Order: sequence, then structure tokens, then C-alpha cells
Amino acid sequence: DGGITQSPKYLFRKEGQNVTLSCEQNLNHDAMYWYRQDPGQGLRLIYYSQIVNDFQKGDIAEGYSVSREKKESFPLTVTSAQKNPTAFYLCASSIPPGGQGYNQPQHFGDGTRLSIL
Amino acid sequence: DQQVKQNSPSLSVQEGRISILNCDYTNSMFDYFLWYKKYPAEGPTFLISISSIKDKNEDGRFTVFLNKSAKHLSLHIVPSQPGDSAVYFCAASAREYGNKLVFGAGTILRVKS
Repeated sequence: DGGITQSPKYLFRKEGQNVTLSCEQNLNHDAMYWYRQDPGQGLRLIYYSQIVNDFQKGDIAEGYSVSREKKESFPLTVTSAQKNPTAFYLCASSIPPGGQGYNQPQHFGDGTRLSIL
Repeated sequence: DQQVKQNSPSLSVQEGRISILNCDYTNSMFDYFLWYKKYPAEGPTFLISISSIKDKNEDGRFTVFLNKSAKHLSLHIVPSQPGDSAVYFCAASAREYGNKLVFGAGTILRVKS
């Protein structure tokens, strides 16, 4: 079955530690995204990548880093510089907008819940 | 500045009746709107979308209405079923911003049997 796999489902971080969240997709989508969800809030965009070896900051990129070395994979590192990392992290992918600006929905994984020890 | 707003944090509806979820936006550049459904500890599931060139899109029990002049969209679920109980997120994007989605805060729908 095609889909987006996020791992692990739960992750704990110690103070001062970097952690990496995995996101893999087999939908052959070019575009991938990372969002953060906090209680009572909508999803906020952290980073996105429209194509391999290229990515852009979203609205809340500070304290995070990403890489896009393969089309299928878009790992997110939560660095020690992120002062409030406790949240639910969601990865998504989509076909990029077409030449006529035709939009495509994003499809999401089941998320990783990150907590601070 | 919240560009996409869902002003009702929660909604309770009797099974079989209509559920109407509302969403307002402020950015007139938005040209594509989506509704997602989310269960706890899971990722959002895409439900239905609408382009700004339309004012209505229907898919089974789900219909989305778009009023561009009022910058308002709504999701109608008819008839509502207990399995529809979830958090519903409205999202919007603009061609000029690529495919970046801006989400509302969500509305919790409870369908009572």
C-alpha cells in the first residue's frame, strides 16, 4: 500500500539533545512537508521541499533542520536550539502544483509525538 | 495574524442530522481550500477540496461551499454519523505561495447517537 510512514510514533528528548524524526513516502510525490501541531492550534509549517536536494523554511523553522537527499525521505532534526519542542509532528507529501497552478491535496503520515524528559 | 479561522471550537449534532462546519479567511490570494478530518494520535485525512473558480463541490455525504465575497467556506455533512466524530481542519493555499497550506485551529465535531 502506498503511504507515508513516520517513525517513531513516540519520542523522548533530554535537554540539550538533538533528535531526528523519520518520514518516508512511497507515493512518488516530489513535494514533502513538516508541520507541528500544538494543543488547540492548527498545523504550522516548519520546512518544506518541492524537489530533491532543495528545501525552504516554513513559518516556524527556528530550532529545526531538514535534509532531502532522496525523493522518498525527508527527515526532520529537532535541535537543542528549539526551546519548546514538545508537540505532535506531522509529515506530508503531495504532487507539486502543476504548470497551470493546479493544486493538489497534501497527504499526511500518522505523526510523531515528541516529549521532553 | 490568523489568516484562516475556525471560530467554533466544537459542535455537537444528533446522528442523522446535518453538521455544518464553518471557516473564514482573510487573505484574498487564497485560491484553493481543503477540509481535513483528524482522529486523536493520527494524521489528518484529506476529505474534500474546492478551487476558487467554483462555489460548491460535493462528494457523497460531504459538500463544501465557498463564498468568495464573504471569504467564507463551510463543510456540510449529511446525514451525520457517529463515525464522523473527529476534529475537522480547514486549510487554504495560494498559487503564489506554492502548495503551502495555512490551517485553521480546528473544530471538534461530536455526533451523538
